[in-house]
Amino acid sequence: EVQLVESGGGLVQPGRSLRLSCAASGFNFIDSAMHWVRQAPGKGLEWVSGISWNSGTIVYADSVRGRFSVSRDNAKNSLWLQMNSLRPDDTALYYCVKDLRWDPLDSHGFDVWGQGTVVTVSS
Amino acid sequence: EIVLTQSPGTLSLSPGERASLSCRASQSVPRSEFAWYQQRPGRAPRLLIYGASYRPTGIPDRFSGSGSGTDFTLTISRLEPEDSAIFYCQQYGSLPFTFGQGTKLEI
Repeated sequence: EVQLVESGGGLVQPGRSLRLSCAASGFNFIDSAMHWVRQAPGKGLEWVSGISWNSGTIVYADSVRGRFSVSRDNAKNSLWLQMNSLRPDDTALYYCVKDLRWDPLDSHGFDVWGQGTVVTVSS
Repeated sequence: EIVLTQSPGTLSLSPGERASLSCRASQSVPRSEFAWYQQRPGRAPRLLIYGASYRPTGIPDRFSGSGSGTDFTLTISRLEPEDSAIFYCQQYGSLPFTFGQGTKLEI
């Protein structure tokens, strides 16, 4: 079964850091670009970041560039999102997402989604 | 940034009817790199259409996509109660990737 399982969310104070993890299984992780997409409570979807199969291409939304960092380890079938200098407007459900292609610059859409992990930024 | 505007905001239809959801882009979407997603309450989004008109394996042929440039449409024929959800359009042809605000479909 193709599966993405996120972890690492929680309640954090503004200005602090958090690291999200995503464990992939059931498909060839090395063949796919991966992304993080978030959804604020009661709101729509916002793309956050994408990374190519070999980490050669990494892209970010303007809202997180310079604060968030995405990485992956193909040997461990794992994806991470390091989130620094968190702000209240970063509060959201964060989804780990698989791309149909191997590079976000050649994306064909997002075909597998995890169930998400909740990040709440509040004092 | 390409802004996507979906209409209508909410659509209420009966089982067996046909739904037509629209998404308009603020500028032309390169290479029709455009997708539709379905999000049922409490669930993660599901890819319905990519490349404007292609269905992934396992998506019923009741779902179809059309359009190019700045205007795209998702059509759902023979509506079923389980089609109740929020539908999002997305463009992935230009960074940053963007989503529409969603259309809520009530059956």
